[in-house]
Amino acid sequence: DTAVSQTPKYLVTQMGNDKSIKCEQNLGHDTMYWYKQDSKKFLKIMFSYNNKELIINETVPNRFSPKSPDKAHLNLHINSLELGDSAVYFCASSQSDTGRYGYTFGSGTRLTVV
Amino acid sequence: AQSVTQPDIHITVSEGASLELRCNYSYGATPYLFWYVQSPGQGLQLLLKYFSGDTLVQGIKGFEAEFKRSQSSFNLRKPSVHWSDAAEYFCALKTSYDKVIFGPGTSLSVIP
Repeated sequence: DTAVSQTPKYLVTQMGNDKSIKCEQNLGHDTMYWYKQDSKKFLKIMFSYNNKELIINETVPNRFSPKSPDKAHLNLHINSLELGDSAVYFCASSQSDTGRYGYTFGSGTRLTVV
Repeated sequence: AQSVTQPDIHITVSEGASLELRCNYSYGATPYLFWYVQSPGQGLQLLLKYFSGDTLVQGIKGFEAEFKRSQSSFNLRKPSVHWSDAAEYFCALKTSYDKVIFGPGTSLSVIP
């Protein structure tokens, strides 16, 4: 049983399109996150949700919109995709909204915008 | 400013040799610190964490890390490296805003 699962694993799309990435966790955690990993492997937090409520919203273009229908799911919708959005996007979850127990990560979604 | 640095971008060791990966942090209070490993094409896996108590922390896969407040360091060690340890290693810090920030990573190569 995968603890944090993301779909799709790979996404290739043209500039200007709209796409979504889905994330689900079966750990019973209250908090979920989206991180972006660039080509240099640098990881940057984008959003976090605790029990369906947004608690961290970094300086991310408003083309990115997270949605959490329940505490086990956190989806990421991206409008008007740009070349610079190409990256690996990781979903993660933790049992505390303080992050002090560490995160469980999904295996990532590699987004390529052409 | 709260930050994490990993001075070594890339390290190569021979299989069976010992390993130490360096991590330095900047934080005003007692930090929560973590080490994660990312194998190629995979997500990150938590190796170990520190937030109080014993400064030598044991983790999974035979890794340990030592917290040294005087040096603002949290170095990761393993006595004998296996070829399967080749991966990217990230040190991370929980900030006072309850965000976890990651260092730039150290890429480990293992020579058979």
